[in-house]
Amino acid sequence: KAGVTQTPRYLIKTRGQQVTLSCSPISGHRSVSWYQQTPGQGLQFLFEYFSETQRNKGNFPGRFSGRQFSNSRSEMNVSTLELGDSALYLCASSLDRAHVNTEAFFGQGTRLTVV
Amino acid sequence: AQTVTQSQPEMSVQEAETVTLSCTYDTSESDYYLFWYKQPPSRQMILVIRQEAYKQQNATENRFSVNFQKAAKSFSLKISDSQLGDAAMYFCAYRAQGGSEKLVFGKGTKLTVNP
Repeated sequence: KAGVTQTPRYLIKTRGQQVTLSCSPISGHRSVSWYQQTPGQGLQFLFEYFSETQRNKGNFPGRFSGRQFSNSRSEMNVSTLELGDSALYLCASSLDRAHVNTEAFFGQGTRLTVV
Repeated sequence: AQTVTQSQPEMSVQEAETVTLSCTYDTSESDYYLFWYKQPPSRQMILVIRQEAYKQQNATENRFSVNFQKAAKSFSLKISDSQLGDAAMYFCAYRAQGGSEKLVFGKGTKLTVNP
């Protein structure tokens, strides 16, 4: 069974640009969560999607947004990029809430560098 | 809000020896889940072990075991017979029961295994 796939693996963008990252969850998984990982702040929760609806949101500015499609694939978008947005962005997928002790499976991440 | 604290930024262990990584957390909930994730240089987050708060018995997975002290809100990871492949960042994580797959992570402990 294929794991969580994140594309692209690496990205370099200029300040002020916008970027879209993609995450394809494990087949059958309906929940997708996004995390930002930086050396200073560690792993911080961005948002979670379940059945195309945002179920939970972290404490990030409105420049960070996301969506989920009917096939559970998810995208996150960051507009007006700042240097501080440079980070590893991780996506995790899980079975739906009925499976109460679900395990989150992570992708290998997208390394975003803003210059 | 729930918080997770890992007080050891770095730890080292000799191959074949035992090491314990510490984690404390803060929550007002009575039911929740706790996890230890491993992140090797490849960046892929891998679940090492998990514990349901309602279970008194400590979880064990081969060479990995936990010491879960619910009243003290402590969740340490013991690695026995350490192997070179155990070298990685280890993250302790908390997840509330029901409604969301959001994980709250500690800052991580970098484990070095010396041959």
